[in-house]
Amino acid sequence: AQSVTQPDIHITVSEGASLELRCNYSYGATPYLFWYVQSPGQGLQLLLKYFSGDTLVQGIKGFEAEFKRSQSSFNLRKPSVHWSDAAEYFCAVGAFTGNQFYFGTGTSLTVIP
Amino acid sequence: DADVTQTPRNRITKTGKRIMLECSQTKGHDRMYWYRQDPGLGLRLIYYSFDVKDINKGEISDGYSVSRQAQAKFSLSLESAIPNQTALYFCATSETGDTYEQFFGPGTRLTVL
Repeated sequence: AQSVTQPDIHITVSEGASLELRCNYSYGATPYLFWYVQSPGQGLQLLLKYFSGDTLVQGIKGFEAEFKRSQSSFNLRKPSVHWSDAAEYFCAVGAFTGNQFYFGTGTSLTVIP
Repeated sequence: DADVTQTPRNRITKTGKRIMLECSQTKGHDRMYWYRQDPGLGLRLIYYSFDVKDINKGEISDGYSVSRQAQAKFSLSLESAIPNQTALYFCATSETGDTYEQFFGPGTRLTVL
């Protein structure tokens, strides 16, 4: 069965520090992978997506993610975090059947000055 | 204007009441989805629709029903609301095909007393 695991429920980083949010998936074929961000009181906004090709994917707001098939991972990174990056981050995998998404439980990011 | 809108944005109701949450989209997408978000559980799929004549149950459809009135409108009903249906509800859309990217509305916060 498809599943997505985000092992970190909450992360706190200092402004200007680097960030890495972890995501592991379980899926029987090459997955379609996504990272979404949810700012307080807002809906979900797509940060980036991986379908195929280059395993390092660039997204909006300076984020990038790397697909590692051998580790079944799709970790999100940012070299220098801004206070406005404080939000909830969700990793998701798209399934071929039913055009369904399977979301992780999310990682809440706090940015301290 | 937002591509995916949800009404109401907030609703407080009592146990046993019938509630309808509405979703409209101007993206021209055939596929629409309803999710609920609970703290620590991420987003879970309630129902999805691939076109006006196609309705499918998701992971947690018990206690909910939906209506696809038109390509642009997809409503979620709670026939007899109960307190554990208190959650944040999101509508999403996607194109037909294999892109799998979903576009989310701003959410409806529902409280059942």
